[in-house]
Amino acid sequence: ETGVTQTPRHLVMGMTNKKSLKCEQHLGHNAMYWYKQSAKKPLELMFVYNFKEQTENNSVPSRFSPECPNSSHLFLHLHTLQPEDSALYLCASSQELAGGPIAETQYFGPGTRLLVL
Amino acid sequence: DQQVKQNSPSLSVQEGRISILNCDYTNSMFDYFLWYKKYPAEGPTFLISISSIKDKNEDGRFTVFLNKSAKHLSLHIVPSQPGDSAVYFCAASASNTGNQFYFGTGTSLTVIP
Repeated sequence: ETGVTQTPRHLVMGMTNKKSLKCEQHLGHNAMYWYKQSAKKPLELMFVYNFKEQTENNSVPSRFSPECPNSSHLFLHLHTLQPEDSALYLCASSQELAGGPIAETQYFGPGTRLLVL
Repeated sequence: DQQVKQNSPSLSVQEGRISILNCDYTNSMFDYFLWYKKYPAEGPTFLISISSIKDKNEDGRFTVFLNKSAKHLSLHIVPSQPGDSAVYFCAASASNTGNQFYFGTGTSLTVIP
């Protein structure tokens, strides 16, 4: 496999369910990201893991919980979501320079289309 | 407040003609810009980038122009092909904010055969 993969591609869940989204990158990158894309809105950065450390959390509700066990895998654990959380969730990765401030090009997975009922 | 704006949600162009997609930004600290292309049911794929030290970058049929004084960038595709039909996103970042990219809402391009 190459690039960035995400599973599942589609997910329907109730508001009381617990589910997890999985992302895996095969590019040897050291930074991974979760984005949310809602209809007619720009991509919203949710979480950043750089060198496996979470560096940014853009005020995301606690019902979204990220996990980065290693530099190749990223999870997004979902719990008691709301219907307005229905969106496309995209994972991305990049190769960041240690101590360097410049953001490198990010490579995206295909996304998980989430529907919360 | 949206820092990167793509004011045209859609654009239709005849095959063989030029497609021009526009993007405006508000943050004068942005110094690195990218264009992504997205097909349905796929994630965005990187297309072309430009840093603020340049005003033009070309890659085959794709050219990105940056006008820093106007805080405006554009993507030119020439000649346009039906396979170019997709949603195009521009994104911007500032060196001092590391990994943070700000995205526009996208422009859906349709190239008519």
